[in-house]
Amino acid sequence: EIVMTQSPATLSVSPGERATLSCRASQSVSSNLAWYQQKPGQAPRLLIYGASTRATGIPARFSGSGSGTEFTLTISSLQSEDFALYYCQQYNTWPLTFGGGTKVEIK
Amino acid sequence: EVQLLESGGALVQPGGSLRLSCAASGFTFSSCAMSWVRQAPGKGLEWVSAISGSGGSTSYADSVKGRFTISRDNSKNTLYLQMNSLRAGDSAVYYCAKGLYGDYFFDYWGQGALVTVSS
Repeated sequence: EIVMTQSPATLSVSPGERATLSCRASQSVSSNLAWYQQKPGQAPRLLIYGASTRATGIPARFSGSGSGTEFTLTISSLQSEDFALYYCQQYNTWPLTFGGGTKVEIK
Repeated sequence: EVQLLESGGALVQPGGSLRLSCAASGFTFSSCAMSWVRQAPGKGLEWVSAISGSGGSTSYADSVKGRFTISRDNSKNTLYLQMNSLRAGDSAVYYCAKGLYGDYFFDYWGQGALVTVSS
């Protein structure tokens, strides 16, 4: 199975600053990588798919990049509503696997 | 508006069985792959099982293979997860999730159904 490793586990950022989240795959997943945001008590929300395509309704401050084994989610200017958990997921190979998550908290 | 509504979550004893349902609306159900994803309390997301739009292809995580069965009834726009031989480690919120463009990443999620396996 492909292991997805997210770093850091926790990211402390001030509102208005940039946040950079990393996701590494144990083997290549091509560009078959999605990012999700999850807030307490809520279901995850799709942010990015195809490594870099924003899902419908997702603000332009969210961007994804990478291919193969190294991926990045960037939030260009953190808003209050962006403090949450973020997960990456590969859908290149069965079984589908998620990363362990990065918590973005207020500094 | 896309809606996914799970039901069937409950407290069940170890070794017991449970069937989850997910009623879908607002999209062409038969055209979309569907999955179940679970999340144990305070833990991350774990993919459980997936089924193609026609129902002809299914996949499972190793942790549930042989115990869980995914199915769908496209005439009823409903997804199912039959869970047998339940263990304490299966305790989690189970989300029904819709695949986008026939692929296996998820653009809509249900609100989740809580399954607790305990004596």
